[in-house]
Order: sequence, then C-alpha cells, then structure tokens
Amino acid sequence: GAVVSQHPSRVICKSGTSVKIECRSLDFQATTMFWYRQFPKQSLMLMATSNEGSKATYEQGVEKDKFLINHASLTLSTLTVTSAHPEDSSFYICSAYTSGSTDTQYFGPGTRLTVL
Amino acid sequence: GESVGLHLPTLSVQEGDNSIINCAYSNSASDYFIWYKQESGKGPQFIIDIRSNMDKRQGQRVTVLLNKTVKHLSLQIAATQPGDSAVYFCAENIGYSTLTFGKGTMLLVSP
Repeated sequence: GAVVSQHPSRVICKSGTSVKIECRSLDFQATTMFWYRQFPKQSLMLMATSNEGSKATYEQGVEKDKFLINHASLTLSTLTVTSAHPEDSSFYICSAYTSGSTDTQYFGPGTRLTVL
Repeated sequence: GESVGLHLPTLSVQEGDNSIINCAYSNSASDYFIWYKQESGKGPQFIIDIRSNMDKRQGQRVTVLLNKTVKHLSLQIAATQPGDSAVYFCAENIGYSTLTFGKGTMLLVSP
C-alpha cells in the first residue's frame, strides 16, 4: 500500500518551455501533497505544500508564478515549471501525506528535469 | 584551483557488519522522526519511524534510537548487505506533517 507515482520520470526540454509533472497517490487518498527539489548530493528541499481544493503554500524563496501547483483531487497534484531555464534542471520529488498509524509521507520516484 | 562542492558524509562498511548512521536534529519541539533510504535516481523510501515518547524502536534488521536530551537520532542496520548501499536521511516533523530533512549520509557496503 501507500504507492505514489510520478510522470514523467525524465524530461528534457528547451529553455523557455513549460513542463508539467504529475504526482498521483495510487491506493490511498492524500489530503496533502508536497513538492521537493533535490540537487546532486544534497538533501531534499521543500518547495511547496499542496492541499486538495486550496492554493498551495510555498516556501520562502520559491517563486509561485514560476512553479505552478494544482491539487485538483485527493489523488492528483501537478507541478508546472513555467518558462524553464537551465538553472531549473533538477530532480523533482513529490510526496503524499496520509494521517493514520504512521502519519508519514510517501514519496514518488522523482522526475529528472533537464533544461537545455 | 580547488573546486568547491558539497560532499555527503560517507560510511563505508563490509558486508555483514553492523552500521550506525547518526543524525542531529534542530527543533526540540519535533515529536515525530523518520528515517528514509534513497537509492540513486529514486525517491526516498520509508524505513522506520519513532515518536518522541519513545527512545527506541526496532524493525526488521533496523533499530532507531532517539535521544531527546541531545537532539540526536541514530539508525542501526544489522548485518549490512550490499543492497543497503544508499543515502540515508533522517527527517523531523515540525508540525502538521511537514518534514525537515537532514543532510544525509551515504552508506557504502562492500562485499
């Protein structure tokens, strides 16, 4: 149980284009989803917290107009990187939170974004 | 000139050894802690968790110890196997499901 998927797993795009990444909880309903960014050999940095049906809460320093988050249902959240530039190249990971016996976050497999 | 970069702390062990990975957390109000394993190119995988009202919790081959006095968390892996090679992160819950991750430790297990 508690499986989270991400799509696509890898994407390469040209500078200036927008890229959409999907995060789905496959076998549970997630009240909250989180988006992280991870650079090589570094830890996960929280970008934003997404609650179903409401606006995402962004961490300090994360541009909300640059990283658009939509949480349309209890099983789907999307992250759109708008007008991507090479410095946006990174590993983007989502997680889904479900309260219960563990109260933990379950992570997706990540999406490797490369902007040329 | 010398290049400057970030290097994960690395723990190198032999197969069959016991491994201990340490983590210092920052917020004395944190009440829930989790260890995650991350293999290269993959998302973090839940290993074991512990709440602040406990000081030890055991799973299959893994044990987490919590010392709230010095804000220290450790993960012990018994009989370490090559498949345990990965980066290990501790994470603390600082309020309503939000996690703060530690810097991570790379575990290298040689046969």
